[in-house]
Amino acid sequence: DVKVTQSSRYLVKRTGEKVFLECVQDMDHENMFWYRQDPGLGLRLIYFSYDVKMKEKGDIPEGYSVSREKKERFSLILESASTNQTSMYLCASSLTGELAEAFFGQGTRLTVV
Amino acid sequence: DQQVKQNSPSLSVQEGRISILNCDYTNSMFDYFLWYKKYPAEGPTFLISISSIKDKNEDGRFTVFLNKSAKHLSLHIVPSQPGDSAVYFCAASARNAGNMLTFGGGTRLMVKP
Repeated sequence: DVKVTQSSRYLVKRTGEKVFLECVQDMDHENMFWYRQDPGLGLRLIYFSYDVKMKEKGDIPEGYSVSREKKERFSLILESASTNQTSMYLCASSLTGELAEAFFGQGTRLTVV
Repeated sequence: DQQVKQNSPSLSVQEGRISILNCDYTNSMFDYFLWYKKYPAEGPTFLISISSIKDKNEDGRFTVFLNKSAKHLSLHIVPSQPGDSAVYFCAASARNAGNMLTFGGGTRLMVKP
């Protein structure tokens, strides 16, 4: 079974803090993604990566950056956390190619106070 | 502008009856469609998918229908069970966009015993 593991289930951070969310997948997938989920808005793509050290902006990259130094690990960084970044963050991975589904981690519920 | 829309935020169905969840899309480049199921405090799990070359795909109690001319797809669950109660997300991808998925806003399904 594919396993995508996010480092924390719940996080509480203060406004202005630098926050790191870590994600590791164990199936040698080329692609990795970070989404955030908010009520009524579904899952919105923040960043994705199709290879080590490669990254592409998604729909809502402002206020975020990412790092992919190793194939299995994809980190999301909130440079200076703000209250509007309170959300559920979901990491996913997939193979490259047609008909490839994405596998998700369990999610990190981040609260910025 | 949302490219994938789920216009019903919630749906309530009696156990044993059919559940029909709907999804509309605007991007004619989308050629692969997926449904994900999400329980609270968990990541989404893949349910069923369909390629644009088909108009129906069936897997046990779950069937997805695709109407390309109307840019509409639907998920049918028959018979519905209380354990099906969850949020269902429709997602779409385009071959020329790698494996990046665009999600709808989700529909909360409640199956009453």
